[in-house]
Amino acid sequence: GNSVTQMEGPVTLSEEAFLTINCTYTATGYPSLFWYVQYPGEGLQLLLKATKADDKGSNKGFEATYRKETTSFHLEKGSVQVSDSAVYFCALGGTGGGSNYKLTFGKGTLLTVNP
Amino acid sequence: KAGVTQTPRYLIKTRGQQVTLSCSPISGHRSVSWYQQTPGQGLQFLFEYFSETQRNKGNFPGRFSGRQFSNSRSEMNVSTLELGDSALYLCASSRYAGHEQFFGPGTRLTVL
Repeated sequence: GNSVTQMEGPVTLSEEAFLTINCTYTATGYPSLFWYVQYPGEGLQLLLKATKADDKGSNKGFEATYRKETTSFHLEKGSVQVSDSAVYFCALGGTGGGSNYKLTFGKGTLLTVNP
Repeated sequence: KAGVTQTPRYLIKTRGQQVTLSCSPISGHRSVSWYQQTPGQGLQFLFEYFSETQRNKGNFPGRFSGRQFSNSRSEMNVSTLELGDSALYLCASSRYAGHEQFFGPGTRLTVL
């Protein structure tokens, strides 16, 4: 079945540091890939997505590239801010579409950015 | 456009009781999915409804059930609550299955 392996946290960085959170996946077919962010006490917000190989998703300075050859979708940001402190989830959308569609999530990575 | 709303936001129940959680999707969205989030197991898929039909189900016992109404609002029910059912229950809606999912704030269930 589908699975997502995500870098274990927690990750602690200073403001303006470079961020990488690794994510690899196992799936049949060509899944869509997502990064979601969860702030304390809130639900999940979609951060970015990519629907096919070599697509780059980007939003709010975050980027991730869908790498089919390495089955990876690593999240990067060049300069983090204190407000980026949150839990980040890598997710895979089912390849079946239609009635078999569901999201499979990684375990989440807690990011803390210190001023 | 209003987002996904979930009620109640917090709930405390005791073992053996049952509970019903409600989710109102974004207007125009016909697919509603439910997920359970716990510190140990992370985010796990419960089930997905589309046009009042359950089309996909995760690996949860039969105590977990749900339904969807003609206006796309959905409820999930957990009977005979166990301590391990304590979790954040998240609802997500999308226009169709396979489309981008938008999540609600969740219902925090505590079972004592």
